[in-house]
Amino acid sequence: EDQVTQSPEALRLQEGESSSLNCSYTVSGLRGLFWYRQDPGKGPEFLFTLYSAGEEKEKERLKATLTKKESFLHITAPKPEDSATYLCAVQANNAGNMLTFGGGTRLMVKP
Amino acid sequence: DADVTQTPRNRITKTGKRIMLECSQTKGHDRMYWYRQDPGLGLQLIYYSFDVKDINKGEISDGYSVSRQAQAKFSLSLESAIPNQTALYFCATSDSGVDGYTFGSGTRLTVV
Repeated sequence: EDQVTQSPEALRLQEGESSSLNCSYTVSGLRGLFWYRQDPGKGPEFLFTLYSAGEEKEKERLKATLTKKESFLHITAPKPEDSATYLCAVQANNAGNMLTFGGGTRLMVKP
Repeated sequence: DADVTQTPRNRITKTGKRIMLECSQTKGHDRMYWYRQDPGLGLQLIYYSFDVKDINKGEISDGYSVSRQAQAKFSLSLESAIPNQTALYFCATSDSGVDGYTFGSGTRLTVV
């Protein structure tokens, strides 16, 4: 059974204080790993897809990396507007394009 | 207009009532999904449909049913609502490739 575990559950940062969010996964053949951002009261918004170990993708202050067991979402010099819940999901080779989601990390950036 | 529209945005209903949540999309995608989100539990798949004639149960389908009225419309029904179905419900769409899903803004359902 595919599993995704995200840590920490919640993270408080000061503005400008860089950190990383973790997504550990077990899957029977990874087809893709996805990161989403979710603001309160809204649906998840797609950020990145990573397909193979060693791959990295960047968008503004966010950089996602992937190994064979986990993915990190690095946040460099965060701003208050980066406050949101970040969701990780995996797609297995034998699962069509079904996604298995982690529980998310709630990020709060204080000015 | 949003790519994926869910109605209603908020709903309070009584135990035992039947309720329908609606979803429509303008992405032209064949695949549509219904998810439930509870605090700390992430997103759990209720039902999914790969085309109008293809409906499949997800991991938590008990107490729910769906209807795919057209490529663009996918409705979720709670046959007899109970309080532990209080949650956020999201509709999503995707194409057949390895792409991210597009989510609607969600329906906040409260069963009292």
